[in-house]
Amino acid sequence: DAEITQSPRHKITETGRQVTLACHQTWNHNNMFWYRQDLGHGLRLIHYSYGVQDTNKGEVSDGYSVSRSNTEDLPLTLESAASSQTSVYFCASSDGRWHGYTFGSGTRLTVV
Amino acid sequence: AQSVTQLGSHVSVSEGALVLLRCNYSSSVPPYLFWYVQYPNQGLQLLLKYTTGATLVKGINGFEAEFKKSETSFHLTKPSAHMSDAAEYFCAVSETGNQFYFGTGTSLTVIP
Repeated sequence: DAEITQSPRHKITETGRQVTLACHQTWNHNNMFWYRQDLGHGLRLIHYSYGVQDTNKGEVSDGYSVSRSNTEDLPLTLESAASSQTSVYFCASSDGRWHGYTFGSGTRLTVV
Repeated sequence: AQSVTQLGSHVSVSEGALVLLRCNYSSSVPPYLFWYVQYPNQGLQLLLKYTTGATLVKGINGFEAEFKKSETSFHLTKPSAHMSDAAEYFCAVSETGNQFYFGTGTSLTVIP
């Protein structure tokens, strides 16, 4: 069965370190998204991609970057982790045809 | 610009009572509307969606929602709440099918 997986599920890192969160999907979806979820803010879009070599900034992209070298993966990198980036991160994918998003199970990141 | 407003960040109902979660949207074109459910420590799952056709749509677990263009609403209902319905619910809107805009979520508590 097709799936979307995120790793790790939990991560603790120190302020200033570079961190990469992985997202891998086997749906063959062109569209992939990264969101962060925080109390009182719901889901906020960080970055998204509509295909290989395509990346776009979302509403809260500062301090984050992504790259899309193949259809299956969209890793999210925190260049220099800050305590404000403590959050739960969700990856999602879609085929852009009204089927909605398929979400990963999330990565809980704590920056200390 | 697209946006979603979910009235009530927390809703409590008694087991067996009607569940009503409110969602209002803003869109410059006929929108496509979605409800997602998030159980604790899990990703989001698609509950139901409206794309075209019948304005009353049925989803999983006995939930349904009605698209009312004149009221720009897409409220989620369930006739009789069950303990297993306790979760976070998110409404989302999309104009293109490529990107979705989420509300801030409503936490549903079911009281035995």
